Amino acid sequence: AQKVTQAQTEISVVEKEDVTLDCVYETRDTTYYLFWYKQPPSGELVFLIRRNSFDEQNEISGRYSWNFQKSTSSFNFTITASQVVDSAVYFCALSEGLTGGGNKLTFGTGTQLKVEL
Amino acid sequence: SAVISQKPSRDICQRGTSLTIQCQVDSQVTMMFWYRQQPGQSLTLIATANQGSEATYESGFVIDKFPISRPNLTFSTLTVSNMSPEDSSIYLCSVEGTSDNYEQYFGPGTRLTVT
Repeated sequence: AQKVTQAQTEISVVEKEDVTLDCVYETRDTTYYLFWYKQPPSGELVFLIRRNSFDEQNEISGRYSWNFQKSTSSFNFTITASQVVDSAVYFCALSEGLTGGGNKLTFGTGTQLKVEL
Repeated sequence: SAVISQKPSRDICQRGTSLTIQCQVDSQVTMMFWYRQQPGQSLTLIATANQGSEATYESGFVIDKFPISRPNLTFSTLTVSNMSPEDSSIYLCSVEGTSDNYEQYFGPGTRLTVT
């Protein structure tokens, strides 16, 4: 069975601070995908990144960066120079890597990030 | 990426009634998924809807309570039947990208309150 753990329930930072959101996963699959989503107060789920299990390269997109380490089954997300608009719930998710599709997502419990002035 | 719309965006319903939620995608997709997010909770998969076949339900969810239709490759509906206050949740549909891109995108959600 797949499992995603986001141990940080809530994080509060002051604007311009860097913040890292932790994600640890469990799976028996050798091929799988990892995702991060942002859910602002409006409720929609915004796709941020997908990473497949064979690609351990870290990725940077603007102020966002992701650190994927298979050795520790972690896929952490760092926001550099945080802004108030980053305030949201962030979900880490895991899916199987089935060819042909139908890959169901297993979500972590989410981390509420509050960025204050 | 796919553009997904849902109707209604929110509703307040009385217990014992049913509500049908619609999900429309701007491109043809094989798989559509329905998730539930109870207040303050994470997302839980209800079922997978594949065009031309019966939906596949996850443990704890049954067709009588959550019937799903998938009449074509761009549309699906989820009905929440015989509602109780415990059904108050955000219901989201999602779609999966093409075979070389398994990104999953979500609709804006339907915020349901049952009184």
